[in-house]
Amino acid sequence: SYELTQPPSVSVSPGQTARITCSGDALPKQYASWYQQKPGQAPVLVIYKDSERPSGIPERFSGSSSGTTVTLTISGVQAEDEADYYCQSADSSGTHVVFGGGTKLTVL
Amino acid sequence: EVQLVQSGAEVKKPGESLKISCKGSGYSFTSYWIGWVRQMPGKGLEWMGIVYPGDSDTRYSPSFQGQVIISADKSISTAYLQWSSLKASDTAMYYCARHLYYFDTSTSTTSNWFDPWGQGTLVTVSS
Repeated sequence: SYELTQPPSVSVSPGQTARITCSGDALPKQYASWYQQKPGQAPVLVIYKDSERPSGIPERFSGSSSGTTVTLTISGVQAEDEADYYCQSADSSGTHVVFGGGTKLTVL
Repeated sequence: EVQLVQSGAEVKKPGESLKISCKGSGYSFTSYWIGWVRQMPGKGLEWMGIVYPGDSDTRYSPSFQGQVIISADKSISTAYLQWSSLKASDTAMYYCARHLYYFDTSTSTTSNWFDPWGQGTLVTVSS
């Protein structure tokens, strides 16, 4: 079955830039989305269509794509950004949705 | 405001049946797919399937096909996730979310995303 691969953890200091990657063979044909999940809360969409930001999401969140890898970038990381982040896309047919395994962002 | 409100936490015994719900408001419920996502304790998100309330068309993840039933009642703007015989391994948080789909004709690229999400329903299965 199709998989999206994320690093288990990323650590950054406040004010620095965090980059979280997500790799998958179908990503050149399927856009990706990103979700933030804080402990005890439901996931929140932060990026869709690789780089679009929903209303209400801070500008420090951005997304990009290159070949089989998409990247979530958080510029000027704040303590409140500490959370789990999941990428999501679909298989090459577009029929089945898939989530990455998640990345725990720690703000040092 | 687009909102999805899920039914409350459940505690069940193995072998029992269960149906949890997700009520949409603030948008045309029949015009968007609704998806269900499982999150087992301490684990990541797993896509279970989607339903289109307009005509009850349903798609399942191969991992959940035959294990659950996803349905919707458009007359009351509510989607459902049900089990006929629960197992201890069904213990998890279950989220519903509005599923959006976009096809870029210029690049032949598709996009799927979920927004917003319900607050989650915790299902505990224990003898």
